[in-house]
Amino acid sequence: DSGVTQTPKHLITATGQRVTLRCSPRSGDLSVYWYQQSLDQGLQFLIQYYNGEERAKGNILERFSAQQFPDLHSELNLSSLELGDSALYFCASSVGGGAGVPTGELFFGEGSRLTVL
Amino acid sequence: DAKTTQPPSMDCAEGRAANLPCNHSTISGNEYVYWYRQIHSQGPQYIIHGLKNNETNEMASLIITEDRKSSTLILPHATLRDTAVYYCIVRLFTGGGNKLTFGTGTQLKVEL
Repeated sequence: DSGVTQTPKHLITATGQRVTLRCSPRSGDLSVYWYQQSLDQGLQFLIQYYNGEERAKGNILERFSAQQFPDLHSELNLSSLELGDSALYFCASSVGGGAGVPTGELFFGEGSRLTVL
Repeated sequence: DAKTTQPPSMDCAEGRAANLPCNHSTISGNEYVYWYRQIHSQGPQYIIHGLKNNETNEMASLIITEDRKSSTLILPHATLRDTAVYYCIVRLFTGGGNKLTFGTGTQLKVEL
């Protein structure tokens, strides 16, 4: 158990819909990272938040957005869903990740499996 | 982040040492080598990291060459539960936005 909690574990929805994935980081961790893993793409970095502020952005589509709340949990919002958005979405957390702060290792949750039909 | 090169797959007999190589010839002086693994669709798991000295923990050992252009992850007594994709990643230890950039990794298959 990494200490990172993701909900829901599984989600099935239709094209055009919107979903929200939730992540609770390990106690004391300030950074949250979101990754997408689809069969043909491997693990792709989407976005990172550190203590409520966006810190780094990767290959995140404009239809996707994320935020980190004052209690440090994070949500990833996926809208106008397409078949190609079907994937495992992982959240990770680390103690650091801010400017000049050692990141520490990343701890990953078990993922949310999204199926778009 | 420096690019890494790993063999796509390796086999290992249970109980034997598994030695997983990684080339990172463009690594810079302040970049660390990290290893993670992912067991069939589970979340990736941190294994070990190092800068230039050899490192050992309860999971594995990391051997980094003197010129730091390559490294080897050693699982001393592989078990069936070590079957996974192993990722070698090079990145800075500090700095904002220290994401991990995953490559394709090495699929390690441990067999009886």
